[in-house]
Amino acid sequence: AQKVTQAQTEISVVEKEDVTLDCVYETRDTTYYLFWYKQPPSGELVFLIRRNSFDEQNEISGRYSWNFQKSTSSFNFTITASQVVDSAVYFCALSEAGRGGNKLTFGTGTQLKVEL
Amino acid sequence: GAGVSQTPSNKVTEKGKYVELRCDPISGHTALYWYRQSLGQGPEFLIYFQGTGAADDSGLPNDRFFAVRPEGSVSTLKIQRTERGDSAVYLCASSLNGGPGANVLTFGAGSRLTVL
Repeated sequence: AQKVTQAQTEISVVEKEDVTLDCVYETRDTTYYLFWYKQPPSGELVFLIRRNSFDEQNEISGRYSWNFQKSTSSFNFTITASQVVDSAVYFCALSEAGRGGNKLTFGTGTQLKVEL
Repeated sequence: GAGVSQTPSNKVTEKGKYVELRCDPISGHTALYWYRQSLGQGPEFLIYFQGTGAADDSGLPNDRFFAVRPEGSVSTLKIQRTERGDSAVYLCASSLNGGPGANVLTFGAGSRLTVL
């Protein structure tokens, strides 16, 4: 069965600090997809990134970067020079390519608070 | 429409009552999903529609829950004989034509259900 663990329940940082959100996953499939979503106070989940299991290249998008390591089953997310607008709950999610490929399995989320 | 629209945004009902939650997906999106998010948790998959048919309903918790999408656009999630444990935010998402591996899911803001 697929599982996503986000051990950090809540993180508080001061603006301009870098912060890394951890994500560890479990799956039996060799082909799978990993995601990060942001959920601001408005409640809508906002897609940030999708990565397939065959692409271990790290990715950078502006202040956001993602580190995918199959050897440790981790897909960590770093925000550089955090801003107050980054305050939200961040979810890591997994989708398998097989029969369960229609669903996303989410972690429990990490609440990020960025303060001035 | 421009985004996924869900109504009502808030619903308060009494234990034992029947409720309907509506989702209007992005125009042209053939795939539609329902998720349930309890307080402090990540969203949990309920059901996936491809067109008019429920392609995967493995996440529906019991037979009190039912969803329809008769014309392949708007979907209604129906909950009979509501229980206090049904209290949660019900999220709807749509994607262009399939599962999350190949398609980005766009989520609505959710319908918050409170069962007294």
